[in-house]
Amino acid sequence: QVQLVESGGGVVQPGGSLRLSCAASGFTFSSYSIHWVRQAPGKGLDWVTVISSDGTKKSFADSVAGRFTISRDNSKSTVFLHMNSLTAEDTALYYCARGSIVGAKRPHDYWGQGTPVTVSS
Amino acid sequence: DIQMTQSPSSLSASVGDRVTITCRASQDISNYLAWYQQKPGKVPKLLIYGASTLQSGVPSRFSGSGSGTDFTLTISSLQPEDVATYYCQKYNSPPRTFGGGTKVEIK
Repeated sequence: QVQLVESGGGVVQPGGSLRLSCAASGFTFSSYSIHWVRQAPGKGLDWVTVISSDGTKKSFADSVAGRFTISRDNSKSTVFLHMNSLTAEDTALYYCARGSIVGAKRPHDYWGQGTPVTVSS
Repeated sequence: DIQMTQSPSSLSASVGDRVTITCRASQDISNYLAWYQQKPGKVPKLLIYGASTLQSGVPSRFSGSGSGTDFTLTISSLQPEDVATYYCQKYNSPPRTFGGGTKVEIK
């Protein structure tokens, strides 16, 4: 069965950095784009970033561009979200979600359980 | 970037009522529109994609319609287990913007 498992969340001071991981299983990982979506406490869903199936294309929300980077290791079926210059506004539950397959745009049909990030001094 | 506007932001209806939620895109997104259901404390769940295609396992009381810029999610007969927040999302290209959400409660 398809599984996405996030890890790496925690408490970090403002201006600090954190690396989140999303480990996938149960599907042909190298054929799918992977997205990160976050949800601040009591707020709505906020799309953050995407990496293409082969890792060559990346896109970021304006709110994180220049501070966050994304990478993937298809040999390990894992995506990494590198977050720098964190602020209180980045405090949220971070979900990874499966996206499009090569050749077809698809919504997020599978999501992980999320990993919490708290930015606080 | 394309903005996604949902309305209403919340609603309260009786069991058995027909419920309609609307989502408007600021530009044409064809039919690349998905609807998600998020129950309190749970992971979002895909309900509808392609504006009107029901995801496998989703009850038939849920339906979607629209194309271009105006979309609708309809629950034909509201059930207690439908209490949740519903989000629309464009997925034609990044950024995959979500609507602000509609919180559905039972009256």
